[in-house]
Amino acid sequence: DGGITQSPKYLFRKEGQNVTLSCEQNLNHDAMYWYRQDPGQGLRLIYYSQIVNDFQKGDIAEGYSVSREKKESFPLTVTSAQKNPTAFYLCASRLEGKGLAGGPGFYNEQFFGPGTRLTVL
Amino acid sequence: KQEVTQIPAALSVPEGENLVLNCSFTDSAIYNLQWFRQDPGKGLTSLLLIQSSQREQTSGRLNASLDKSSGRSTLYIAASQPGDSATYLCAALAGGGADGLTFGKGTHLIIQP
Repeated sequence: DGGITQSPKYLFRKEGQNVTLSCEQNLNHDAMYWYRQDPGQGLRLIYYSQIVNDFQKGDIAEGYSVSREKKESFPLTVTSAQKNPTAFYLCASRLEGKGLAGGPGFYNEQFFGPGTRLTVL
Repeated sequence: KQEVTQIPAALSVPEGENLVLNCSFTDSAIYNLQWFRQDPGKGLTSLLLIQSSQREQTSGRLNASLDKSSGRSTLYIAASQPGDSATYLCAALAGGGADGLTFGKGTHLIIQP
């Protein structure tokens, strides 16, 4: 089955620890994303990557780091510099679109994984 | 900076009713708009994607419309069922298509049996 997997489902972090959240996709998608969801707020973009070995900061990148060594993998590290890491973390991916002949380009939909809930103890 | 707003924040209706969820965005220069469903503690399920050149998309009992000039999108759910109970999120894609989506806070929908 094609899809996006995230692990672990639940993660607990002690103060001062770095933790890494896994995101893997077998959809052969080019772009991958990390979002954070807090109660009562919309999802906010942490980092995104369009191609291997390249990634860009999103709106709330401080205290996080990522890597993109393989097309199918985009792990997120929550460092001790992130002051309020308790949240629900969602990974997404998207296939780069191709422009319509004679018309504007189009952009494919993003697909999401099941999420990882991180709690700071 | 793009901002997305969803109204209402919560909605409870009896089963069988037709209903409309609203989404507005401040920057009309979007590339597409996507509607999602989220069940408690779960990831997002994509429902409909509307490209900037399109006016509406339909899937089963769902119909989404897009009016870029007014900065609005609506999600119409026909003949609602208890299984439709979930949080519905809309999100806009802008910034050259490479950036991530900008999300609204969602509409929490409850369909009463």
